[in-house]
Amino acid sequence: AQSVTQLDSQVPVFEEAPVELRCNYSSSVSVYLFWYVQYPNQGLQLLLKYLSGSTLVKGINGFEAEFNKSQTSFHLRKPSVHISDTAEYFCAVSEGGADGLTFGKGTHLIIQP
Amino acid sequence: NAGVTQTPKFQVLKTGQSMTLQCAQDMNHNSMYWYRQDPGMGLRLIYYSASEGTTDKGEVPNGYNVSRLNKREFSLRLESAAPSQTSVYFCATHRGSSYEQYFGPGTRLTVT
Repeated sequence: AQSVTQLDSQVPVFEEAPVELRCNYSSSVSVYLFWYVQYPNQGLQLLLKYLSGSTLVKGINGFEAEFNKSQTSFHLRKPSVHISDTAEYFCAVSEGGADGLTFGKGTHLIIQP
Repeated sequence: NAGVTQTPKFQVLKTGQSMTLQCAQDMNHNSMYWYRQDPGMGLRLIYYSASEGTTDKGEVPNGYNVSRLNKREFSLRLESAAPSQTSVYFCATHRGSSYEQYFGPGTRLTVT
């Protein structure tokens, strides 16, 4: 069975600074990887996904992530954050099929002015 | 298009009461899911329905039942609510070709 580890429960960053949110996964087969964002009191919105091909994936709102198969990682990055990026970020994995996503426990990104 | 809708948005129950959470989608997706979200736990899968007429247990199914009424609707029932079921519940649909899921706005349930 697959699992996802988000190494940081909270990441405080100053506005306009770069940020990296870390995600590692465990699976015995090929996986599909996702990052979702949840703004306060809202549902989850897809930021980006890796299915195959280029290991550098670009998403919405200036975020990108890099798939590293040897390190089983899928870290999320943004070169310059804004106050509006304050949210909870979830990494998720699927082994394909229709049996749902496995989520990490989330990282709360806190942007400090 | 409304996407994925959930009702109600908020609910307070007393221990032992029952209720049904409703989910509907207009995206013509085959697969639908129920997750619960608890602080520090991420989202955990309760039940899913890969297609109309089928349902399967996820990671945390105890205390819940589901019904896939038709392709559009997937309901979650709590027969005898317990305080441990206080949570935010999300319904999602699955776009098969890209494996991503689309989420509803959630139902915040408190059991006292």
